[in-house]
Amino acid sequence: NAGVMQNPRHLVRRRGQEARLRCSPMKGHSHVYWYRQLPEEGLKFMVYLQKENIIDESGMPKERFSAEFPKEGPSILRIQQVVRGDSAAYFCASSPGLRDSLPYEQYFGPGTRLTVT
Amino acid sequence: AQKITQTQPGMFVQEKEAVTLDCTYDTSDPSYGLFWYKQPSSGEMIFLIYQGSYDQQNATEGRYSLNFQKARKSANLVISASQLGDSAMYFCAMREGLFTGGGNKLTFGTGTQLKVEL
Repeated sequence: NAGVMQNPRHLVRRRGQEARLRCSPMKGHSHVYWYRQLPEEGLKFMVYLQKENIIDESGMPKERFSAEFPKEGPSILRIQQVVRGDSAAYFCASSPGLRDSLPYEQYFGPGTRLTVT
Repeated sequence: AQKITQTQPGMFVQEKEAVTLDCTYDTSDPSYGLFWYKQPSSGEMIFLIYQGSYDQQNATEGRYSLNFQKARKSANLVISASQLGDSAMYFCAMREGLFTGGGNKLTFGTGTQLKVEL
């Protein structure tokens, strides 16, 4: 039973380029979350998606960042025109569903380390 | 105000000893969940233990236990019989609005770096 998969594991981009980070949730999971971890800090929530829907994007920067979770295929976090401050580890997590009485834990992927030069 | 506070940036413990990692939280929501994750140097996030705000008993998972003091808003992680492999960063996290549709996002603390010594 494969866990949450993220690729690439490491990504180097020059300032101004685009970065695309992919996340395949665990089998049977329909909820995906993206978090960012800056160096020496904890994880910060960015966005929460279900298939074809953005549920909560309160943690997403207003510009240059976008996320999607299409009906088929992985979830994509896209960063346009990257800047040095975007250098961080980006984690994806998935959960099987949201039921009011059960706080499903989130299973994390190994992360993508983005370095902007 | 910080929702999750971890005041110990670094901790040392001798192998086979017990260690407590502190976590305090701030929420006005009556329904919430508290989580602990381990992040070894390889970088992945490993779920350790969960405590719900309405749970009557403190959570335990093997060598991990959660000392939940609701009135003090603290959720300290206790690791018994420390092993060298426990050396890692440990994060406390909270999910609010369990029964009010408050979403499913986790709010993390800044972490505690634990080093287990021989």
